[in-house]
Amino acid sequence: EAGVTQFPSHSVIEKGQTVTLRCDPISGHDNLYWYRRVMGKEIKFLLHFVKESKQDESGMPNNRFLAERTGGTYSTLKVQPAELEDSGVYFCASSPLAQSEQYFGPGTRLTVT
Amino acid sequence: LAKTTQPISMDSYEGQEVNITCSHNNIATNDYITWYQQFPSQGPRFIIQGYKTKVTNEVASLFIPADRKSSTLSLPRVSLSDTAVYYCLVGEGKGLTGGGNKLTFGTGTQLKVEL
Repeated sequence: EAGVTQFPSHSVIEKGQTVTLRCDPISGHDNLYWYRRVMGKEIKFLLHFVKESKQDESGMPNNRFLAERTGGTYSTLKVQPAELEDSGVYFCASSPLAQSEQYFGPGTRLTVT
Repeated sequence: LAKTTQPISMDSYEGQEVNITCSHNNIATNDYITWYQQFPSQGPRFIIQGYKTKVTNEVASLFIPADRKSSTLSLPRVSLSDTAVYYCLVGEGKGLTGGGNKLTFGTGTQLKVEL
């Protein structure tokens, strides 16, 4: 069974540009989460989808970040416009309903210059 | 969410047992204790979860005293491949809310295993 996949693995963009990160969860997992680690700090929660609905987006830093999960399958996280402080590693995780163990993808390393 | 405190780093040698202790003094009644492992350039990976007493799986054991204010992750006979960051997390587990739960990561413990 394939694990959680994320694309791209690494993205380098200039300040002010737009970047879209993609996450493909494990098939059948209704829970999908986004996390990020910036500037060597701790991994922080961004938001949580249950199927296509946003269950909790309390961790989204500001309105430059937009997450979608159309159809309840893969998810995208768009940063527009990107700022220097957005640099970091963005992780996606998924889990079945009523299960707390989360399966993480390898992350997307975003570098904003 | 309960805050956790764990050592920043630990060193060990191959074949030894490693015990990493985590403090969580304000753990709530419905909180579970979960440990994740993270290798460089990878996402965190679930190791073990428990509520009280002792839990054991094929990878590790988790010891939780009666007051649940701390927990100890035990890795038997570590190898070089166990070099990683280990995170202790406290929060609702077992999907008690029915819809999953967000994880709150601390700084973790960097375990280094040498020959």
